[in-house]
Amino acid sequence: AQTVTQSQPEMSVQEAETVTLSCTYDTSESDYYLFWYKQPPSRQMILVIRQEAYKQQNATENRFSVNFQKAAKSFSLKISDSQLGDAAMYFCAYRTPNSGNTPLVFGKGTRLSVIA
Amino acid sequence: DAGVIQSPRHEVTEMGQEVTLRCKPISGHDYLFWYRQTMMRGLELLIYFNNNVPIDDSGMPEDRFSAKMPNASFSTLKIQPSEPRDSAVYFCASRGTGVGPQHFGDGTRLSIL
Repeated sequence: AQTVTQSQPEMSVQEAETVTLSCTYDTSESDYYLFWYKQPPSRQMILVIRQEAYKQQNATENRFSVNFQKAAKSFSLKISDSQLGDAAMYFCAYRTPNSGNTPLVFGKGTRLSVIA
Repeated sequence: DAGVIQSPRHEVTEMGQEVTLRCKPISGHDYLFWYRQTMMRGLELLIYFNNNVPIDDSGMPEDRFSAKMPNASFSTLKIQPSEPRDSAVYFCASRGTGVGPQHFGDGTRLSIL
């Protein structure tokens, strides 16, 4: 079974600095998708960024970028120029595109605090 | 565009009562998911539907939980009878066929006293 591990329950970063949240996963599949979701105190689940495993280029969305290391099964999220609004729980998630396994598998999350 | 709509946003009820949570997926999405989130267990998939048909309900904790999707625009998650340990935030999510991500509703915070 696929598993997703986020080894950092909590992280903190100074405003305007850069922080990296780690995520590793275990799978025997070669084709899959990876996601980072943000959950602020309002508890909405907001998609931050996604990566298709067949793409070698790391995904980037404004201040958010990933370091996707397929061989190492690692998918870290880098937040540059951290802002107070980035404070939230961040969840790493995985799924395969196969019709028999479409649900997301989530990690336990990392709580990010941003210090002014 | 309207996102996934869940109701109610908050529910407080006494142990033993029936609870019904509602979800309207994004129009055109043919997958619908119900998740439960607690501090102890994180996000757990309870059940998901494809084209209104339940595909995997192995995450449903007990027979007290049931879910239905009578049509493409509506799903319910029912707990009967409810217990204090059912207190959690329940999320509904939907997505279309293919590579798109799941879109989540705002969740229902359920408190069973």
